[in-house]
Amino acid sequence: GQNIDQPTEMTATEGAIVQINCTYQTSGFNGLFWYQQHAGEAPTFLSYNVLDGLEEKGRFSSFLSRSKGYSYLLLKELQMKDSASYLCAVRAFSGNTPLVFGKGTRLSVIA
Amino acid sequence: GAVVSQHPSWVICKSGTSVKIECRSLDFQATTMFWYRQFPKQSLMLMATSNEGSKATYEQGVEKDKFLINHASLTLSTLTVTSAHPEDSSFYICSARDRDIPDTQYFGPGTRLTVL
Repeated sequence: GQNIDQPTEMTATEGAIVQINCTYQTSGFNGLFWYQQHAGEAPTFLSYNVLDGLEEKGRFSSFLSRSKGYSYLLLKELQMKDSASYLCAVRAFSGNTPLVFGKGTRLSVIA
Repeated sequence: GAVVSQHPSWVICKSGTSVKIECRSLDFQATTMFWYRQFPKQSLMLMATSNEGSKATYEQGVEKDKFLINHASLTLSTLTVTSAHPEDSSFYICSARDRDIPDTQYFGPGTRLTVL
């Protein structure tokens, strides 16, 4: 089976740094994705990790440890517009396999 | 960048009617498209995988006779919700994989369905 866990809600202050964790247990592993989703909108792609380590892209970074089944998304210099849900998703196999999503973490950025 | 469109963006219908939702890849060819459903404050749940020129693969618990999927071309997949009921009200999102860049998955903007 597939199981992806992430915290339900988080709150952080504007300008601060926040780390959103994701743990997964899947029958296979062919990449981990992070998406941002604002209410009523479709998810937008943030990052993709398939090898262990840190991927940095501007204010956003994502880390993966395959041996631990663990990833995190790091958001720096938080802005109010970063208030959204952040979805962790795993692709178990290569080829035409879909992503399996976690329940998402609702991040609220406060002044 | 790759663009996926959905039409309509929102629809309100009466109970018992059928609704068709279109998903199009605008600037790439997609042999595979995925249909997801999302209830309020919940994550995306995969409904089915749509493959061009063949039958869709449905996830467990999703009724294939109720949610008809057709993927007639490399740029278009349709989801028809037949005999819709209020419990079918949800946010339906499609995603498409670029045939030439297999690790991609681009999401459409979603369709909000409300069944009265």
